[in-house]
Amino acid sequence: AQKITQTQPGMFVQEKEAVTLDCTYDTSDQSYGLFWYKQPSSGEMIFLIYQGSYDEQNATEGRYSLNFQKARKSANLVISASQLGDSAMYFCAMREGEYGNKLVFGAGTILRVKS
Amino acid sequence: KAGVTQTPRYLIKTRGQQVTLSCSPISGHRSVSWYQQTPGQGLQFLFEYFSETQRNKGNFPGRFSGRQFSNSRSEMNVSTLELGDSALYLCASSWATGGPGNTIYFGEGSWLTVV
Repeated sequence: AQKITQTQPGMFVQEKEAVTLDCTYDTSDQSYGLFWYKQPSSGEMIFLIYQGSYDEQNATEGRYSLNFQKARKSANLVISASQLGDSAMYFCAMREGEYGNKLVFGAGTILRVKS
Repeated sequence: KAGVTQTPRYLIKTRGQQVTLSCSPISGHRSVSWYQQTPGQGLQFLFEYFSETQRNKGNFPGRFSGRQFSNSRSEMNVSTLELGDSALYLCASSWATGGPGNTIYFGEGSWLTVV
């Protein structure tokens, strides 16, 4: 069964510094997609970045980049130049297989940006 | 372009009552999925609808049901509410069901409190 592990319950980062949030996954499928979402205290789940299992390049979206290491089954999120507004819960999620949109989520990492 | 819209945002219900939550996906999106988020269980998949057909279902009792209309709007219903149903219910929309590069976007969620 597919599984997502986020080992960092909470992280602190200084404003303007970079931070890496860890995510490892377990799947026996060759085709899968990995997602990162940001959830502020308001509850909204904000899409950040997507990486497909067949994508050769690491995904990037503005200040967000995904460090995808397929052999190690890891998909770490890197946030560059942290801002106070980045303080939130961050979830890593995986969609397994070619069909369907069922996502399996990790437990999440709370990020706090310090000024 | 409008995002995923969920209504109502907040509601309080009494144990034993039923509740209906609504979700309007992003224009052009035909897949709608529902998730339940609780502090204890995290984010759990409820079901996915695509072109008015349920494509996948999570491990929830039959009290949880959903449907999708021809305009892709979706509703989920929970009957005979229990205290444990108190949660944030998130709706997600996507253009297709599965497939590489198919990104999934979430709404702001509906906060349900059962008293």
